[in-house]
Amino acid sequence: QVQLQQSGAELAKPGSSVKISCKASGYTFTSYYISWIKQTTGQGLEYIGYINTGSGGTNYNEKFKGKATLTVDKSSSTAFMQLSSLTPDDSAVYYCARGTGYWGQGVMVTVSS
Amino acid sequence: DIVMTQTPLSLSVAIGQSASISCKSSQSLKYSDGKTYLNWVFQSPGQSPKRLIYQVSKLDSGVPDRFSGTGSETDFTLKISRVEAEDLGVYYCCQGSYSPLTFGSGTKLEIK
Repeated sequence: QVQLQQSGAELAKPGSSVKISCKASGYTFTSYYISWIKQTTGQGLEYIGYINTGSGGTNYNEKFKGKATLTVDKSSSTAFMQLSSLTPDDSAVYYCARGTGYWGQGVMVTVSS
Repeated sequence: DIVMTQTPLSLSVAIGQSASISCKSSQSLKYSDGKTYLNWVFQSPGQSPKRLIYQVSKLDSGVPDRFSGTGSETDFTLKISRVEAEDLGVYYCCQGSYSPLTFGSGTKLEIK
């Protein structure tokens, strides 16, 4: 069955970066894009962008350009998202998803000094 | 970006009764291929979101037929007939016809 297993919670300081992972199983990894979504209490669900797992090509929501960098390692069927120059506004739960049909369990990122 | 407006923000429904959630988009979601990429996603407390319906009315595998989706262009509705306790949580509409994908603000379903 399709599974997306994300890495664990992160506590980061303002100005630093974090890199979270999303390991896919149960299907041919390079056949589907992986999307990333941010969830906060205040802003709800926000689409960050997606990565073409076959070519590595990316598409970002304008709002997250410069904040998020999406990469992929085909050898391990894993997608990554790096968040840079972190501020408290980046504190959220981040999900990876295969389309909208399958979601990871989410990673809570907390930015605090 | 396409704005998705959901109503109501919350509703309280007794077990066995029906519930209806409206979602309106700021422009038609009918894509150039003729399909309408409107999804309904459900999030139970403490869990990750789960898609229930795609392309307006198609139920995902394993979703009970108590759930149904209707609508076209800019107006869409999710109906839950015979609400059960496991249905409590937040329901989001989500459009995939335009980039970036956008979500409604959610409707919280409580059990009366």
